[in-house]
This record gives sequence, structure tokens and C-alpha cells, in this order.
Amino acid sequence: QSALTQPASVSGSPGQSITISCTGTSSDVGGYNYVSWYQQHPGRAPKLMIYDLNNRPSGVSNRFSGSKSGNTASLTISGLQAEDEADYYCNSFTDSYTYVFGTGTKVTVL
Amino acid sequence: EVQLVDSGGGLVQPGGSLRLSCAASGFTFSSHWMHWVRQAPGKGLVWVARLYDDGTRAFYADSVKGRFTISRDNAKNTLYLQMNSLRAEETAVYYCARGHRSGYYMDVWGKGTTVTVSS
Repeated sequence: QSALTQPASVSGSPGQSITISCTGTSSDVGGYNYVSWYQQHPGRAPKLMIYDLNNRPSGVSNRFSGSKSGNTASLTISGLQAEDEADYYCNSFTDSYTYVFGTGTKVTVL
Repeated sequence: EVQLVDSGGGLVQPGGSLRLSCAASGFTFSSHWMHWVRQAPGKGLVWVARLYDDGTRAFYADSVKGRFTISRDNAKNTLYLQMNSLRAEETAVYYCARGHRSGYYMDVWGKGTTVTVSS
């Protein structure tokens, strides 16, 4: 159950788009469309941003979108805003009926 | 309001035990899978365990298998995590989270309870 691999940090200027990758294996990311993304501000609980690869819960901005290619899922934030500065984690269901999180990415708005 | 309130954290010695609780309100608790997720200080999220809505089947991360037990009391709308043989590296904030009824994701989270394993 190794953690999914994410870049440690990604940054962008307000209004720009950024993409966070999440690389796993055929036993998790590559094998299922059950990838979700969570946003976490310091000292706060995680918040669901994307589920089932590319679906947004009610109330989440349409600036957030998800996709997948092979064993790598991606989260794109368009029109970057100051409030988007946070840590982001991907998560996938696995062959063992367990779940695995990514290593986490710190997003900085320059 | 849909809400999860985690509790039961505290200071415990290495090798000791602790039981966490998660009180659910605002939704039909017995219809949802439930999860525990932890986060060590300054580190990332780690999935710990999941339990079926009826409590009949549980799944664990390899790191806690055989030492942790997830359970629930649907009559009390409460989820539990019994943690035995605790290790220093398991010092973390422990979050309970609700699994969505028709999906494989966690859509509601508690605020977390802090467990410190230290002598």
C-alpha cells in the first residue's frame, strides 16, 4: 500500500491554471475511476473537491476539474485564486478493497 | 446539519491502547460506510480503516492490521476505533469520515482528535 505519488509543491499566479498529478499503479488509479481529490487548509479537516475522477460535489467551484490517463490522475485548478492556496491530496480505491492517499501537494498562489 | 464529532484522543504510552469515537448526526448513519484517516504532524493523510454500513465487514491498512479494530453502533450513531499496541509513529490527528452511499469517496469529515503516543 505505497502512497500515490504527487509533486511536493506547485505554484501559480492569480488567474493562471495549474495541474497536480497523482501517479499510482494498475491496482489503484489505473484500475478504477474511483479517484477523489481533497483540499486541506492548515489546521482544518480535509474537504472533498472531486470524486469519481471528474465530478464536483455541490458547492465546489467549477474551476476545479479532474482527469486520468493510464495510472496517472490529475487535478486542474483554473483561474487560480488566493483562497486555493492549500494542500491537495488524491485518493484511490484499490484492488484490496482498501484506499490509498497521495503524498500531498502544497499549492502556492504567488 | 450533517456532522461528525471525533473524540477520545489523548496521551498514551507506547504499547498502550486507546479507543476513539465518532458521533454522527444529521444523516442516516446506518446507510453509510465509515472510515478512519490519520495525519501525523506535518505529514500527509493516511487511510486507516473502513467499515460496511451494517458493520459486517471491515478493511484495514497493512500498517494497523491485527492491532486496530473499527466498529460501530448504529443504534447510537457512533463509530469507534480501538487501537492496541500503539507506536510512537502513530502520533497523529485521527479523522473519521463518511463514505458516500453510492461511491468510493469520503464526503463528510470530522474535525479530528489528537492521539499522542509517548512515554
